[in-house]
Amino acid sequence: DGGITQSPKYLFRKEGQNVTLSCEQNLNHDAMYWYRQDPGQGLRLIYYSQIVNDFQKGDIAEGYSVSREKKESFPLTVTSAQKNPTAFYLCASTQGQENTEAFFGQGTRLTVV
Amino acid sequence: AQSVTQLGSHVSVSEGALVLLRCNYSSSVPPYLFWYVQYPNQGLQLLLKYTTGATLVKGINGFEAEFKKSETSFHLTKPSAHMSDAAEYFCAVRAGGFKTIFGAGTRLFVKA
Repeated sequence: DGGITQSPKYLFRKEGQNVTLSCEQNLNHDAMYWYRQDPGQGLRLIYYSQIVNDFQKGDIAEGYSVSREKKESFPLTVTSAQKNPTAFYLCASTQGQENTEAFFGQGTRLTVV
Repeated sequence: AQSVTQLGSHVSVSEGALVLLRCNYSSSVPPYLFWYVQYPNQGLQLLLKYTTGATLVKGINGFEAEFKKSETSFHLTKPSAHMSDAAEYFCAVRAGGFKTIFGAGTRLFVKA
């Protein structure tokens, strides 16, 4: 079945460490996105990519980095510069047309310990 | 620029009662509108969407929404709530680009 796979589901990070969240899709979608979700704040866009080897900052990109070397993969690195990284992270993808919906992974819950 | 406002961060209904979740949007171009549902510790899944054509849109699990351009609204309804409807619901808009703009979400509680 086609879909988006995020791993791991739960991740613990020590202060000062970088961690990478994986996102893989087999939907053949061109566009991929990373969102951060905090209680009561909805989804906030971190980065998005419309095509391989190209990506743009979203609304809260500071302290995060991404790469898009393959169409299927869009990993997110949470760097030590992100001061409050504890959150639920969601990866999504869409076809290019505006009238199409986003498909989401199951999320990764990151906790700083 | 586009924006979405969901009225009410929490809504509580009794089982069997009408569910009404409110969503208003702002868009300078004709919008495409979506409702998503999220169960705890899961991703979002599509309930329904409005693109063009009929303004009353039917979705999964008995939900429907009506696009009202004059009111810039896209409220979600279900005639009779079920315990399994308890979840968080997000209204979203896409217009003029690749990004989807989400509302802050409304958590629905269903009382037995």
